[in-house]
Amino acid sequence: KQEVTQIPAALSVPEGENLVLNCSFTDSAIYNLQWFRQDPGKGLTSLLLIQSSQREQTSGRLNASLDKSSGRSTLYIAASQPGDSATYLCAVEAFNKFYFGSGTKLNVKP
Amino acid sequence: DGGITQSPKYLFRKEGQNVTLSCEQNLNHDAMYWYRQDPGQGLRLIYYSQIVNDFQKGDIAEGYSVSREKKESFPLTVTSAQKNPTAFYLCATRGANTGELFFGEGSRLTVL
Repeated sequence: KQEVTQIPAALSVPEGENLVLNCSFTDSAIYNLQWFRQDPGKGLTSLLLIQSSQREQTSGRLNASLDKSSGRSTLYIAASQPGDSATYLCAVEAFNKFYFGSGTKLNVKP
Repeated sequence: DGGITQSPKYLFRKEGQNVTLSCEQNLNHDAMYWYRQDPGQGLRLIYYSQIVNDFQKGDIAEGYSVSREKKESFPLTVTSAQKNPTAFYLCATRGANTGELFFGEGSRLTVL
């Protein structure tokens, strides 16, 4: 069974710092990998989707990479801002089902 | 607005009662999903449906039931058989072209 792990569980950084969030998965037979943001008490907002044939995707200050062979993805956030404070989750899709990590709770201090 | 609407946002239930959570979408997506989220844990799949009039159990289906009579709607019933129903419930749809997953705002159920 696919297992998804996110490290670290929590991260606190000063404003302006560049940071990397990690996501690993146990089975490389995936269709997609998706990164989400979740604010307290809210649903998940899609940030980036990487299809299995792609290596990375970029949106604004966010860049996500995918290495299927090693079972890893990273989410790079440039020039972090207090508004980036949230929980970030990754999910992989395999055989019409999605498997989620437990998330990294990010706090960006002004 | 296009999207996924979950209702109610907050729901309180007495033990022994069944409750139904609504999920409506106007994205024209075939696949719909129900997840449960508990503090500090990842999302766990309750039920999913790939097409109208068809659905499959997820990893934690016991104590839950669903129906999929219309493409737009995928309601979830939390029955009295669910031993620990207090949680945050999330409905999602999957876009057919890209496989991107979209979520509603969630429903928080509290059992008193």
